[in-house]
Amino acid sequence: DADVTQTPRNRITKTGKRIMLECSQTKGHDRMYWYRQDPGLGLQLIYYSFDVKDINKGEISDGYSVSRQAQAKFSLSLESAIPNQTALYFCATSGGLGADTQYFGPGTRLTVL
Amino acid sequence: GEDVEQSLFLSVREGDSSVINCTYTDSSSTYLYWYKQEPGAGLQLLTYIFSNMDMKQDQRLTVLLNKKDKHLSLRIADTQTGDSAIYFCAESASQYSGGGADGLTFGKGTHLIIQP
Repeated sequence: DADVTQTPRNRITKTGKRIMLECSQTKGHDRMYWYRQDPGLGLQLIYYSFDVKDINKGEISDGYSVSRQAQAKFSLSLESAIPNQTALYFCATSGGLGADTQYFGPGTRLTVL
Repeated sequence: GEDVEQSLFLSVREGDSSVINCTYTDSSSTYLYWYKQEPGAGLQLLTYIFSNMDMKQDQRLTVLLNKKDKHLSLRIADTQTGDSAIYFCAESASQYSGGGADGLTFGKGTHLIIQP
């Protein structure tokens, strides 16, 4: 089973709709992240959380909100989706000291019409 | 702010070595990473290097770090069709390799194209 899972994997929605993307992890990591990937732009950090009570904005947080429901769950919401939020969204986790790194989920492809 | 630059495309013949280059601006980078993204898939960690190292080798992969020039490279020996993917360079200034106060900073990715 995958260590980091994302649901849904694909979603098409209309402008103005509220959308929630969910991320779950079984790695026991404290830190979780949401990234957005646009063609030719690499990945950009939306929000990150160091533990259940710690949520921080990333470089492109406008139009997004997050909820850390538990150590293993971190959801991303678009309160009122707009077409330029069409992108591939990745959740990642990290934790521990020393030789650790971020582990990514498979991604959610979101299309806003 | 921090910036990570990569060429967008690299084309190599099957069996040759591929060298993907990356430059970064943050002199406080502590960890540097290479991720691979195959079509329709998420990011897969290939390898990483701590900033006090010059080189790291892992089977067909060799990472070279020139900290003075802030230059990182990934060499893939005996490139195969399965190596066709987008390769992302990323850096972290955190003492923890998992990313610090603002996650990882990624380059835009290099598309590796394999010619038969």
